[in-house]
Amino acid sequence: SDELTQPPSVSVSPGQTASITCSGDKLGDKYVCWYQKKAGQSPVVVIYQDNKRPSGVPERFSGSVSADTATLIISGTQAVDEADYYCQAWDTFTPVVFGGGTKLTVL
Amino acid sequence: QVHLQESGPGLVKPSQTLSLTCTVSGGSITSSTHYWSWVRQPAGKGLEWIGRIYISGLTNYNPSLRGRVTISLDSSKNQFSLTLDSVTASDTAVYYCASYYYDDTSGLYYFDYWGQGTLVTVSS
Repeated sequence: SDELTQPPSVSVSPGQTASITCSGDKLGDKYVCWYQKKAGQSPVVVIYQDNKRPSGVPERFSGSVSADTATLIISGTQAVDEADYYCQAWDTFTPVVFGGGTKLTVL
Repeated sequence: QVHLQESGPGLVKPSQTLSLTCTVSGGSITSSTHYWSWVRQPAGKGLEWIGRIYISGLTNYNPSLRGRVTISLDSSKNQFSLTLDSVTASDTAVYYCASYYYDDTSGLYYFDYWGQGTLVTVSS
């Protein structure tokens, strides 16, 4: 299956903007979702359809896609945002593909 | 609010079959807008999609599981199940059941509800 490539880790200072990328072949032709996963908890969708926020997700979460790269942007990052983040799309042979995950550290 | 709950043995011996069931409440497994999925996460690693089933019985599986996986559905009990054959230590993971919203017209999709997850350890 095609891979979705994410950086293993991203660090950000509180109040600053965090950007997490997800790269994959022809990703711009697909919708991308982003999930937040905290230790011991189930994943939660924070972005779907590239840039839509489900109700209840703070406005500081946003998404964008350009060519083969999707980006999750967290503006005014808070300590509570520290988590692992996964992108998700699909490929020709697999209807659900996750990225490898990015550990966001707020320090 | 849809609630999903995994159940099944927490310990499976190598070469045997892992079996888990997911009970859905607050929603119907006959929904035309949802696939019912299994996802796992080994300790210290990322999420891995295992497979999914639609109310029609249509299934899709992760090719990496090489034919070891079967997902079935029991609409009378509002449940769906996972079996994974010939398990090894590498199948040790937290297993999640989840509902996957899919709109065929728009191509919109995302996992909207997840179970709490259940740890399955493969060990003798």
